[in-house]
Amino acid sequence: DIQMTQSPSSLSASVGDRVTITCRASQSISSYLNWYQQKPGKAPKLLIYAASSLQSGVPSRFSGSGSGTDFTLTISSLQPEDFATYYCQQSYSTLLFTFGPGTKVDIK
Amino acid sequence: QVQLVESGGGVVQPGRSLRLSCAASGFTFSSYGMHWVRQAPGKGLEWVAVIWYDGSNKYYADSVKGRFTISRDNSKNTLYLQMNSLRAEDTAVYYCARDFQVGITMIVECMDVWGQGTTVTVSS
Repeated sequence: DIQMTQSPSSLSASVGDRVTITCRASQSISSYLNWYQQKPGKAPKLLIYAASSLQSGVPSRFSGSGSGTDFTLTISSLQPEDFATYYCQQSYSTLLFTFGPGTKVDIK
Repeated sequence: QVQLVESGGGVVQPGRSLRLSCAASGFTFSSYGMHWVRQAPGKGLEWVAVIWYDGSNKYYADSVKGRFTISRDNSKNTLYLQMNSLRAEDTAVYYCARDFQVGITMIVECMDVWGQGTTVTVSS
């Protein structure tokens, strides 16, 4: 089974900061990597699919990069509405989709 | 608008059964695969199961294999999750989500539409 890890598990940042979250797969997954944002008490929201493609309606301050085993989600200038938990998810193995453990972004 | 609405959650004793439903609207339900994803209190997301658009294939997480069954009724635009032999560790918010496939040479699957979730509590 493909295992996903994320770092850091949490971070504190200020509005306007550049934020980078890393996701690593236990084996190569090419670009079969998606990113989701979840706010407390709400359903997850798709941000990025196929490692770097921005979902329709998602602000351009969000970007994704990487391939193989190492991936990055970057928020270029953190906004108040971006404080949330972010999850990566692999879809290389579509018999067993796997989420990362999440990265919580809160206010410094 | 595109919408998924879960129902059927509640409090159930260990070993008992529960069936969740997910009503879809605003899109051609029979053209999309569908997922169930759950989230235990204070924990991360856990993928549970997927069913293809026509119900021909179904796959499960190891943690629920043999106990949970995903199904769909395309005539009713509804997805189901039959949960048997429930355990305390099945306590979670259960979300249904639409499977979105994108790409030409490389088809990537993701979950682009989510319901609001329904809460299942397994407790004596």
